[in-house]
Amino acid sequence: GENVEQHPSTLSVQEGDSAVIKCTYSDSASNYFPWYKQELGKGPQLIIDIRSNVGEKKDQRIAVTLNKTAKHFSLHITETQPEDSAVYFCAASETSYDKVIFGPGTSLSVIP
Amino acid sequence: DTGVSQDPRHKITKRGQNVTFRCDPISEHNRLYWYRQTLGQGPEFLTYFQNEAQLEKSRLLSDRFSAERPKGSFSTLEIQRTEQGDSAMYLCASSFSHAGDQPQHFGDGTRLSIL
Repeated sequence: GENVEQHPSTLSVQEGDSAVIKCTYSDSASNYFPWYKQELGKGPQLIIDIRSNVGEKKDQRIAVTLNKTAKHFSLHITETQPEDSAVYFCAASETSYDKVIFGPGTSLSVIP
Repeated sequence: DTGVSQDPRHKITKRGQNVTFRCDPISEHNRLYWYRQTLGQGPEFLTYFQNEAQLEKSRLLSDRFSAERPKGSFSTLEIQRTEQGDSAMYLCASSFSHAGDQPQHFGDGTRLSIL
């Protein structure tokens, strides 16, 4: 079955700097890669997603890249703000409505 | 609020008791999912429904666990004879499997603590 790995497990950046989280997946059948942000006591919230026919996607300060050949995908957050502090999960799935396999998470701290 | 709703938010029970959680998905979402999340880990898939049909169950879903979605709307997850290892956050998500890709939307979960 699918296995998703994620690095780093913790990340601390100064406000205004960029943050990068990297993930790998194992199942070549995966075609949908969502990223979720989870704040304390809340459920995961989708922040951006990318499909296998797209190499890069950007939404304001957030961008994701996908290298399907290498089975790598990454999240880039620019101009970080304190409210970006949370746990971020990468995930993989065959489609957006199949079961989602999550990575172990990255705890991001943005220091004012 | 039209998001995914879960009840209760917290449940504390003694080992060996039965517990039941409820999930109300986003209206008109035909797929409903259950995940379990332990401290410091990502959510793990348990099972999902399309309308009232349970289409897939994870190996994590032992025979003490049962999920239902009788009318294709809300769902319940029951755990019988709870064990210490059942302590976790139980998350529900919903999505729509038609009209192109639709992401899964999560509720805020039910946190289960076994004494």
